Amino acid sequence: EPEVTQTPSHQVTQMGQEVILRCVPISNHLYFYWYRQILGQKVEFLVSFYNNEISEKSEIFDDQFSVERPDGSNFTLKIRSTKLEDSAMYFCASMAYVSLGGYTFGSGTRLTVV
Amino acid sequence: EDQVTQSPEALRLQEGESSSLNCSYTVSGLRGLFWYRQDPGKGPEFLFTLYSAGEEKEKERLKATLTKKESFLHITAPKPEDSATYLCAVRVFSGGYNKLIFGAGTRLAVHP
Repeated sequence: EPEVTQTPSHQVTQMGQEVILRCVPISNHLYFYWYRQILGQKVEFLVSFYNNEISEKSEIFDDQFSVERPDGSNFTLKIRSTKLEDSAMYFCASMAYVSLGGYTFGSGTRLTVV
Repeated sequence: EDQVTQSPEALRLQEGESSSLNCSYTVSGLRGLFWYRQDPGKGPEFLFTLYSAGEEKEKERLKATLTKKESFLHITAPKPEDSATYLCAVRVFSGGYNKLIFGAGTRLAVHP
């Protein structure tokens, strides 16, 4: 069964450092998303991406965040200057078509900012 | 404001003891309600999508139902391997684009 692959599974970084979280969505999917889940809290929407541009972003997704799909297969989330409160699980998801329902999520990257 | 509320927060069952999880929602135009299972440290795993009131879907010991204001996930004769957090999410559209809004989940523990 096709999977969404995320790397690394766990990243520890110093406060103020830049991190890049990587995702390989399912190959024929058109819609891409990043979500995050702070420990013990809800899964929260960060950003959606379609047709090589951001289609929607939440209030969490401020100027420190950016997304890219550099080569037609990878989908990355960059945090420019990490803060302690950025520590969370970050999930990538993709979807083929709106009419076909199911969003497929990756296993996540656990980001720990120290 | 679009909102998803799940109850109970946590549920402990004995193996074989059937029960139901609830997801109530307030959205401006439901375009799909999703159930996911999440194991500790893992991503949400898709279970079901429901689109209209009265719709039901089943998979092994799980059955999801939908009304105009809520959805239920019924677990029949659960086994310890059904222990997980069950997440409910609704799809909302804005400006032609879509996203999921999640509830906080129900942590289910099934004991032998």
